[in-house]
Amino acid sequence: DQQVKQNSPSLSVQEGRISILNCDYTNSMFDYFLWYKKYPAEGPTFLISISSIKDKNEDGRFTVFLNKSAKHLSLHIVPSQPGDSAVYFCAASGRFGNTGFQKLVFGTGTRLLVSP
Amino acid sequence: DAGVTQSPTHLIKTRGQQVTLRCSPKSGHDTVSWYQQALGQGPQFIFQYYEEEERQRGNFPDRFSGHQFPNYSSELNVNALLLGDSALYLCASSLGFGSNQPQHFGDGTRLSIL
Repeated sequence: DQQVKQNSPSLSVQEGRISILNCDYTNSMFDYFLWYKKYPAEGPTFLISISSIKDKNEDGRFTVFLNKSAKHLSLHIVPSQPGDSAVYFCAASGRFGNTGFQKLVFGTGTRLLVSP
Repeated sequence: DAGVTQSPTHLIKTRGQQVTLRCSPKSGHDTVSWYQQALGQGPQFIFQYYEEEERQRGNFPDRFSGHQFPNYSSELNVNALLLGDSALYLCASSLGFGSNQPQHFGDGTRLSIL
């Protein structure tokens, strides 16, 4: 049961253009969403997050959009740079049960390649 | 400001053996989570520790156990290793149990089972 889906395994973009990475989720209990970037031989690095009470969050070249009705979020990178080439994971978090515990559920990742 | 550190970076074991992986959280963090990442997949949640107790567990068998120490560092133990346990094991730390704070990851331990 894949609750968080990234349906594009890879994306190629030219330097300077916009990169758009997409993510869909199925569980309406999720209330916090994050994007992580992962280089080979390194752990995932936190990029940007958004709470379910917002529909947009911006941090420099990175913007995350959340469409709760469609259960869809996207990460926009503008302008894209060769150093952005990495695997990007979408993750969702929700409070399940009454323990207060927040669990992170990850998608399978999208490999972004930005060419000069 | 030290980030999350994990040791060892690589480990080779044979079926049936036992392994212990170690994690030191980012300075100031008190909550540690462990994830397993198989090739081509996203990280899968194993369990989370806070105040030296396992607070929540993912869909992993009892062969996977852990511990958190008073200094917030943590260990992941896997007994009776199977070929399918070959994966990257990631530790993540965060501040505050149940808070919407991002988890910060270490570079992982690559475990290979022969």
